[in-house]
Amino acid sequence: GESVGLHLPTLSVQEGDNSIINCAYSNSASDYFIWYKQESGKGPQFIIDIRSNMDKRQGQRVTVLLNKTVKHLSLQIAATQPGDSAVYFCAEKRGSTLGRLYFGRGTQLTVWP
Amino acid sequence: EPEVTQTPSHQVTQMGQEVILRCVPISNHLYFYWYRQILGQKVEFLVSFYNNEISEKSEIFDDQFSVERPDGSNFTLKIRSTKLEDSAMYFCASRVSGSADTQYFGPGTRLTVL
Repeated sequence: GESVGLHLPTLSVQEGDNSIINCAYSNSASDYFIWYKQESGKGPQFIIDIRSNMDKRQGQRVTVLLNKTVKHLSLQIAATQPGDSAVYFCAEKRGSTLGRLYFGRGTQLTVWP
Repeated sequence: EPEVTQTPSHQVTQMGQEVILRCVPISNHLYFYWYRQILGQKVEFLVSFYNNEISEKSEIFDDQFSVERPDGSNFTLKIRSTKLEDSAMYFCASRVSGSADTQYFGPGTRLTVL
């Protein structure tokens, strides 16, 4: 069925390296995408979002890329730090719904010092 | 920085009992949501609420669930007769308006049904 999913369940990087977390979606009606970070025992924390009329958006140390042709979303974290260790979720809002978000399964990012 | 708050952080209950999970959304937000996350699984939508009524609900949100905004600040989720499979983290989220899509999540309530 249609879903938001992630290519890799875990990602380990060295401190200072760049991280790339990927996400695939299948619903062509999706018009908004958002990345959340979830630390153990906490709620999802907003990182960055992007609308479907854009293909790139940058924040502080983070960049989201959207490729609508292949229905692919990625989160790039520059100069990854130990504090970036968490589970990262992508979520999508499908154009026909009233703000409901559909979440992927998450990628566990571990940053080694 | 304003944030969504939830109480309690952990609720333990016996199967068949009623529980009420409480949330205080960000003060100028108009749209409210409940999601849940069963351990090790992805976050799942339960219900959205706007203008004092449910605007959308998922197949999970059956007759055992209800939501209420009893006053100008609180937003509650009630489970009438809890089942073992209701054990999960329950997250409240809010967003400011129809044109702004970003939902901000609370820290969650861990519900354990014994």
